[in-house]
Amino acid sequence: AQSVTQLDSHVSVSEGTPVLLRCNYSSSYSPSLFWYVQHPNKGLQLLLKYTSAATLVKGINGFEAEFKKSETSFHLTKPSAHMSDAAEYFCVVSDATGFQKLVFGTGTRLLVSP
Amino acid sequence: EPEVTQTPSHQVTQMGQEVILRCVPISNHLYFYWYRQILGQKVEFLVSFYNNEISEKSEIFDDQFSVERPDGSNFTLKIRSTKLEDSAMYFCASSETPPGPSNQPQHFGDGTRLSIL
Repeated sequence: AQSVTQLDSHVSVSEGTPVLLRCNYSSSYSPSLFWYVQHPNKGLQLLLKYTSAATLVKGINGFEAEFKKSETSFHLTKPSAHMSDAAEYFCVVSDATGFQKLVFGTGTRLLVSP
Repeated sequence: EPEVTQTPSHQVTQMGQEVILRCVPISNHLYFYWYRQILGQKVEFLVSFYNNEISEKSEIFDDQFSVERPDGSNFTLKIRSTKLEDSAMYFCASSETPPGPSNQPQHFGDGTRLSIL
């Protein structure tokens, strides 16, 4: 079965510094991977997706992620954090069978200080 | 941009009562999902729905739960006799395309926070 592991429950950065949120996946198929963001009291917004095209995926708000099959990783990065990036980030893998239910990681809370 | 909308945003219900959570998926989407997130835990899949029937459900989705698309626009989740442990944020999602490597992603609503007293 597919699964994802988010290695950090909390990440703290200063505004203007790089962001790295780590995610490792386990999948017996070529996976579809996603990053979703959840701001306080809001729903889940898609940041970016990987579906076996380019391994470097660009998303919204300056985020990008690189799919590395050899490392089974799909880390999320941003060159320069903004205060508005403070939120919970979920790494997600899509079940390759059936109707593509999503399997979520435990989430990483990103804290951005001035 | 089209959105998935969920109502109400917060529902408070007495244990043992029935509750219906409502969702309006994006209009051209054909695949519908419910997920839940218990406070402090990960988001969990409940059920997927296509062509007016359940296509997949998790072990959480027992006989107390049901889903329906009553009128071609709404998609509802009913819990027949609520328990304390049903307290959670419930998310509705929809997607446009069928399963496959080029599938379109699922779009989520803002959720309904269900509190069982």
